[in-house]
Amino acid sequence: NAGVTQTPKFQVLKTGQSMTLQCAQDMNHEYMSWYRQDPGMGLRLIHYSVGAGITDQGEVPNGYNVSRSTTEDFPLRLLSAAPSQTSVYFCASSRGGGDVGDTQYFGPGTRLTVL
Amino acid sequence: AQSVTQPDIHITVSEGASLELRCNYSYGATPYLFWYVQSPGQGLQLLLKYFSGDTLVQGIKGFEAEFKRSQSSFNLRKPSVHWSDAAEYFCAVGAGAGKSTFGDGTTLTVKP
Repeated sequence: NAGVTQTPKFQVLKTGQSMTLQCAQDMNHEYMSWYRQDPGMGLRLIHYSVGAGITDQGEVPNGYNVSRSTTEDFPLRLLSAAPSQTSVYFCASSRGGGDVGDTQYFGPGTRLTVL
Repeated sequence: AQSVTQPDIHITVSEGASLELRCNYSYGATPYLFWYVQSPGQGLQLLLKYFSGDTLVQGIKGFEAEFKRSQSSFNLRKPSVHWSDAAEYFCAVGAGAGKSTFGDGTTLTVKP
């Protein structure tokens, strides 16, 4: 199993550009989430999904869109990049069903810089 | 809404000394609690987790944590720190459905 994979590893954007961060998991997990990590801070939840076709907002959703058309993939779209979106982005998945099923597995992260 | 507080931003210990990293949480129900470690430029590695049952949980790399409901705490401990333990440590509370709330982290420096 590859686990949770994220592409790209690094990205530099100019203000106003759009892009999609890719996330995929091969563990057949129902739940997937996107977090951002800023210097000196923990991870903050952007969006999450409890299954294909179902998404919801987390703590910091503004400026981001998500969709979940398959169980495996959960892309994160930046509609019009802003310098405030410079951050490291982590995708995570979990099996669901409560208890140990709520253990999240994290991808390696995407480091995004917006100039 | 749940929250996690890690009171110590930075801790320095000598190699071989014991370690305790503090974590306090706020959550309305029985929490799912996690400790992660992150090395510079790396992703998060799960050290240990608590869901129910025995309040003292063992993790990888010789770490353990104790859940104390009365104090809303889940402190991480290690009896003897190694230089390779230098990293940033995050405590998190899980609300299910892929939603976790993280503390701001504690940076551990290990002196030789």
